[in-house]
Amino acid sequence: ETGVTQSPTHLIKTRGQQVTLRCSSQSGHNTVSWYQQALGQGPQFIFQYYREEENGRGNFPPRFSGLQFPNYSSELNVNALELDDSALYLCASSLGFHTGELFFGEGSRLTVL
Amino acid sequence: GIQVEQSPPDLILQEGANSTLRCNFSDSVNNLQWFHQNPWGQLINLFYIPSGTKQNGRLSATTVATERYSLLYISSSQTTDSGVYFCAVRMNTGFQKLVFGTGTRLLVSP
Repeated sequence: ETGVTQSPTHLIKTRGQQVTLRCSSQSGHNTVSWYQQALGQGPQFIFQYYREEENGRGNFPPRFSGLQFPNYSSELNVNALELDDSALYLCASSLGFHTGELFFGEGSRLTVL
Repeated sequence: GIQVEQSPPDLILQEGANSTLRCNFSDSVNNLQWFHQNPWGQLINLFYIPSGTKQNGRLSATTVATERYSLLYISSSQTTDSGVYFCAVRMNTGFQKLVFGTGTRLLVSP
């Protein structure tokens, strides 16, 4: 069974740029959610994708957007990067829309200069 | 929104000691998970425990949903247990939003 994988593991961007992070869900899992973890804090929910549609969103602005593909993999896109976007971005997958255990990937660490 | 508080915030132990971490939450939940975050940032699943008691080796967890708390027990601690422990809960919102606690930072010294 393949776990949740994310890419890239580390990246550096400058303010105003755009970034795309990628996630492959655990085998058989059809729901993907994304979290942002700032240094020294717990992860914060960004949004969830199920059946290729966003169906739950946390307190993040529209410049945070995403996609889910037919194979359940997902992308997180962030436009107009700000310094405060520097964080660890975690992807989680689960089997089911609103039940079950979540499993996390190793994360993508983004630094915005 | 729901509040999730963990205690203690920091814990220093000698190898071999036992410890109890606590998670209090302010509303009814239908999912509770405990995670260990390693120094590289990965969240490792410890327990999926919306209610009841579970054990896995030296670790065990108990959730009393009616009283809105969960406990994580670590026995015979090892240096590899060091890291941050998070409790995370999900309300019955219809989607997979986990609300994480403030974390307990554990350091086990040899």
